[in-house]
Formats: sequence, C-alpha cells, structure tokens
Amino acid sequence: DAGVTQSPTHLIKTRGQQVTLRCSPKSGHDTVSWYQQALGQGPQFIFQYYEEEERQRGNFPDRFSGHQFPNYSSELNVNALLLGDSALYLCASSPRGRAVYRPEQYFGPGTRLTVT
Amino acid sequence: AQSVTQLDSHVSVSEGTPVLLRCNYSSSYSPSLFWYVQHPNKGLQLLLKYTSAATLVKGINGFEAEFKKSETSFHLTKPSAHMSDAAEYFCVVRLDGGYQKVTFGTGTKLQVIP
Repeated sequence: DAGVTQSPTHLIKTRGQQVTLRCSPKSGHDTVSWYQQALGQGPQFIFQYYEEEERQRGNFPDRFSGHQFPNYSSELNVNALLLGDSALYLCASSPRGRAVYRPEQYFGPGTRLTVT
Repeated sequence: AQSVTQLDSHVSVSEGTPVLLRCNYSSSYSPSLFWYVQHPNKGLQLLLKYTSAATLVKGINGFEAEFKKSETSFHLTKPSAHMSDAAEYFCVVRLDGGYQKVTFGTGTKLQVIP
C-alpha cells in the first residue's frame, strides 16, 4: 500500500515565477492538507481540501491556491514566488470519517522548493 | 483558538538515558494530540496519538506520552534513548469538528550522545 506521494522531490525557481506541486493521498484517504515548513520551523497549515473544495485555510496569501481532483489527488500552486517561499512543502492525507474516530494525518516526504 | 508550546528547542541526552520532551497545549475544546518525528530530509512520521481514550498512550519505538488535562500537558518520554532517536520531534494539537484544524509546535531537536 503506497503511502502519501509527492512530486517533484526538489525544485528550483526564480523570484516571480509560478510553481505547481503535486500530491497523491494514501489509499482510502479523501482529505488532503498542505503545509509549509521553513528551515528550522514547524509546519504551518496552508489549506485543506475535501470533496474537491477548499474547506479550511491558514494564514497564507491568495498567491497560494490549490485544487483537488476526483481521484483525491491534489495540487498546490504558488504564484509570483518570493524568496521567502523557499521551504519544504508537505502534503498530508487522512480519511474524512466521523469526528469520533479522529483519524490521524499521514505525511508525504515533501517537496523542497528553493526560490532564487 | 488553540496553540501548542514545546518548551525546549533542543534536548541533549546520553545514549541509554531517559528522554523527556515537553509539550503544553491550549484549546477551547477537548483536542486530539499527536507526536510526530522528523528525521533529517525526511517527512513526518506519527509516533503516537491521544484521542480521548486512555490518558497514557504508547507509541512506536518505545515512546509514550501522558495526557494530563489539569496541567494541559502531553509530554513525550522514552526510558532509554537510542542513537537512532536523534531527530526533530513535533507536538501537534488538533481541534476536531466539522473540519480538522491542526496546529504544530515549533519542534524539539533531540541529540543523543554516544
């Protein structure tokens, strides 16, 4: 059973460019969340997708957008890249389930984005 | 509102000695609590979770944590550190409702000295 997969592993972009990161959730999971982890920091929640809609959003500007496809995979798009966007971007999946079951999130290995 | 505080940014222990990584949380409602470990250049791996069942939670690799509501704490412990335990550890609080709101602590880097 494949876990959460992310692509690409590493990416180098120039300031002002746009980037798309991809995530495939663990089999059986339908909810995908994205996190930004700057060097030496804990992950910061960007947004969460369920049923192809953004359901929650953290404190990130509109330059960060996403999409979820019918097969539950997801993309994170970042426009007008800034040097400060350099970070490890983590995708996590979980089954929606009922709140009483409180399932945990499973994380992918991340995409390391470097903006120069 | 919810928050999580990891009281130590760095902890150093000798191999074979106990490990204690401290975490305090703040939440308006009874949350779920997690500890994740991140080895260098790796993703996050779940160590253990508390979801309102037993207050003493056992996880993988000999780690355990105790939920203490009166102290709003969820400290991570291990009786005997191994070299392979050297990593960064994150305490996570999740408010469960219609949608899960997750907040990470800033992390504790564990160094194990041979």
